Amino acid sequence: NAGVTQTPKFQVLKTGQSMTLQCAQDMNHNSMYWYRQDPGMGLRLIYYSASEGTTDKGEVPNGYNVSRLNKREFSLRLESAAPSQTSVYFCASSEGGGPDTQYFGPGTRLTVL
Amino acid sequence: KQEVTQIPAALSVPEGENLVLNCSFTDSAIYNLQWFRQDPGKGLTSLLLIQSSQREQTSGRLNASLDKSSGRSTLYIAASQPGDSATYLCAVRIGYSTLTFGKGTMLLVSP
Repeated sequence: NAGVTQTPKFQVLKTGQSMTLQCAQDMNHNSMYWYRQDPGMGLRLIYYSASEGTTDKGEVPNGYNVSRLNKREFSLRLESAAPSQTSVYFCASSEGGGPDTQYFGPGTRLTVL
Repeated sequence: KQEVTQIPAALSVPEGENLVLNCSFTDSAIYNLQWFRQDPGKGLTSLLLIQSSQREQTSGRLNASLDKSSGRSTLYIAASQPGDSATYLCAVRIGYSTLTFGKGTMLLVSP
């Protein structure tokens, strides 16, 4: 049982390049989330998907797009990377009801030069 | 806007001590509160979740309390061990599945 997996673990981009961060969960969860974690700022929600086929903006959505590909997978795309997007990105999932504990992936460390 | 504050930002204690980590939030209209642990370079692991109708939750040496009216939660760690060294994050759920996080308390337990 892998839980929440993320690829890649590390990535270096040049300003203006694009990339997609992949996330998958094997817990049959309905809801999935993308966060970024920056020193001194804590974790901030970028986008979330309450259920398959729906996505909503979080606190810091600018510069990002998401796709809920199916119930298992939720991807985050940076169309034109900027140095301000240098961060650690975490994907999480939850059942989407009741206590709704969120389970986190190991993170992707992204550097934009 | 909900704000979550954690005090202290860092804490260093000798092994065996009991300790308390604090979390405060500005809007008491929360659905639940979670405590997470994060090891360096790793993701978050959920430790305890307290529903808004509950006062406390316990798991092993960990006890978390919630006083919703005053906007406060504490995480009590009994008989601390070096393996408890990590960053502890508090998060409140304020809407459908959205969490607002504090910046964390970095704990170091020395042998």
